[in-house]
Amino acid sequence: DTGVSQNPRHKITKRGQNVTFRCDPISEHNRLYWYRQTLGQGPEFLTYFQNEAQLEKSRLLSDRFSAERPKGSFSTLEIQRTEQGDSAMYLCASSLAGWDTEAFFGQGTRLTVV
Amino acid sequence: DQQVKQNSPSLSVQEGRISILNCDYTNSMFDYFLWYKKYPAEGPTFLISISSIKDKNEDGRFTVFLNKSAKHLSLHIVPSQPGDSAVYFCAARVNTNAGKSTFGDGTTLTVKP
Repeated sequence: DTGVSQNPRHKITKRGQNVTFRCDPISEHNRLYWYRQTLGQGPEFLTYFQNEAQLEKSRLLSDRFSAERPKGSFSTLEIQRTEQGDSAMYLCASSLAGWDTEAFFGQGTRLTVV
Repeated sequence: DQQVKQNSPSLSVQEGRISILNCDYTNSMFDYFLWYKKYPAEGPTFLISISSIKDKNEDGRFTVFLNKSAKHLSLHIVPSQPGDSAVYFCAARVNTNAGKSTFGDGTTLTVKP
């Protein structure tokens, strides 16, 4: 297992277009998280799944954002009608369930909306 | 309202000396704390953690101290090495909230040879 994998690594899109990112977590991890990071700030929580169930969504996640984890394995994050303010690094992380576990992050997808 | 704050955006230390990175939090419900390290063009990498039932956790050159009354934690790296140069993020979570973490904005550590 090579860790958490995210694709694509970079995405440039025009304002108003839809984009979709994919995350493949570490295979035995049942929790999967999406975070967003902008320059000079730490990662901000967007949403998380336990297996295929989406258990929490941040208020940061507007109705233009949707995430799925259909079979409890990989996950996709879609942004519809992108805006320039969506430009950021989108980070995926996964972990085992448990009170003392840590999340393992992927390398992220850098989105630039022009 | 930023619940986790790292008030020093940057820190520079000499190789071999101690690096001390600080973090303050405001939410008294936080009961688990983590430090992550991030190199450019990579995702954050877990470094060390501490539960609120402890006041110290050590792993090799890295030690995390927790002062619950002051809502303050610190990461000590000794001796510091040039390869430690990175951005360090402090994170906190409420363990009943299943792992969702709140991050600080990071401190950029530069270790000079």
